[in-house]
Amino acid sequence: LAKTTQPISMDSYEGQEVNITCSHNNIATNDYITWYQQFPSQGPRFIIQGYKTKVTNEVASLFIPADRKSSTLSLPRVSLSDTAVYYCLVGYASSNTGKLIFGQGTTLQVKP
Amino acid sequence: EPEVTQTPSHQVTQMGQEVILRCVPISNHLYFYWYRQILGQKVEFLVSFYNNEISEKSEIFDDQFSVERPDGSNFTLKIRSTKLEDSAMYFCASSEDNPSANYGYTFGSGTRLTVV
Repeated sequence: LAKTTQPISMDSYEGQEVNITCSHNNIATNDYITWYQQFPSQGPRFIIQGYKTKVTNEVASLFIPADRKSSTLSLPRVSLSDTAVYYCLVGYASSNTGKLIFGQGTTLQVKP
Repeated sequence: EPEVTQTPSHQVTQMGQEVILRCVPISNHLYFYWYRQILGQKVEFLVSFYNNEISEKSEIFDDQFSVERPDGSNFTLKIRSTKLEDSAMYFCASSEDNPSANYGYTFGSGTRLTVV
């Protein structure tokens, strides 16, 4: 399973766009990149998943360059309720059992 | 939106007692999981379950732990003799299909287990 590196914390203000970048140099050919969000005392929540180029849904966009060694989660116009921990996960596609390996994640603090 | 439901939300137990944490996965999901998160630490994988058997377990999931799907809807985690270090949030999750494709998990809100 590919190791991921992402910033431990980020601060932003309401209304700003937030970009969180994750490095995954050892990503395997068949691996997908998945991002989860976790609020305090709640379970992680699936945000977005991609394989290459760009994926967009109603919550976020995911940008993946051609070499796939990194990815960027983009949250448009954040609000206070976007304060959470964001996890980048890579490689569970390589596991037949679907095990997820969570890192420390990026704690995003949105300020008024 | 379909949810994974966990009960109880909070359980306090004495060291050495058995606890059963309960989960109702999303009805058409086939893959089930337990994770735990000790306060201030990472979310850790415990076990995955498919087709009525364990497909993978971590080193945390020792002989004190067991899982069961006693009927078509519930998925339980049993800790036979709790230790202080078992205190954590326990999350159940389920997924629709083989998670090698474009499917994320759905996690429950967790059970906070406190061992005293």
